[in-house]
Amino acid sequence: EIELTQSPGTLSLSPGESATLSCRATQSLSTTYLAWYQQKPGQAPRLLIYGASSRATGIPDRFRGSGSGTDFTLTISRLEPEDFAVYYCQLYGHSLSPTFGGGTKVEIK
Amino acid sequence: QVQLVQSGAEVKKPGSSVKVSCKASGGPITTYIITWVRQAPGQGLEYMGRINPVIGTTSYAQKFGGRVTITADDSTSTVYMNLNSLRSEDTALYYCARDCSSPDCHPLGPPGWFDPWGQGTLVTVSS
Repeated sequence: EIELTQSPGTLSLSPGESATLSCRATQSLSTTYLAWYQQKPGQAPRLLIYGASSRATGIPDRFRGSGSGTDFTLTISRLEPEDFAVYYCQLYGHSLSPTFGGGTKVEIK
Repeated sequence: QVQLVQSGAEVKKPGSSVKVSCKASGGPITTYIITWVRQAPGQGLEYMGRINPVIGTTSYAQKFGGRVTITADDSTSTVYMNLNSLRSEDTALYYCARDCSSPDCHPLGPPGWFDPWGQGTLVTVSS
């Protein structure tokens, strides 16, 4: 079973800075079946990115997903106050049981 | 635009069962693949299973060992998640979400990403 490891666990940044979040798979993914979600306290997760790099409807272009194989990255440029949240990556695909990473918390420094 | 609305919070005794509902607005739920994910307090997200009402199939995460059953009711556009033999570790927020593997969320696709999500249902298991 493929597992996803997210790092760092917590990222302390100031508004206006950029955030780089990592999601690493224990096996190489033959296709870019990776999604990213944002979750704020008391809210359900919200889809940000699917297919490793495609932004979901309504997601600002300061959110960018990239990567392939075993290493995937979510980059948030110019952090806005509403971007401070927990971010999860998720693996999906034909024979794969959907799996989530453990999450990265982006907090205000 | 699809919205998923879930039933209210539940408090259950260990050993009992809980049934959480997920109703769609903006289209018949039976044209969507619906997935259930749970989140224990302060923890991450955990996939439970999914239903494809179009072709009448379900699949479940191995971890739940047959304790979870997902069903759909066409007449009310509602999907249900039933979890039995509850234990304290099942205390969590339970979410339903539409499962998409293409931008148009075609219901005959493979397992995909989840969008949108219901608001969550808190299930507390306590004696």
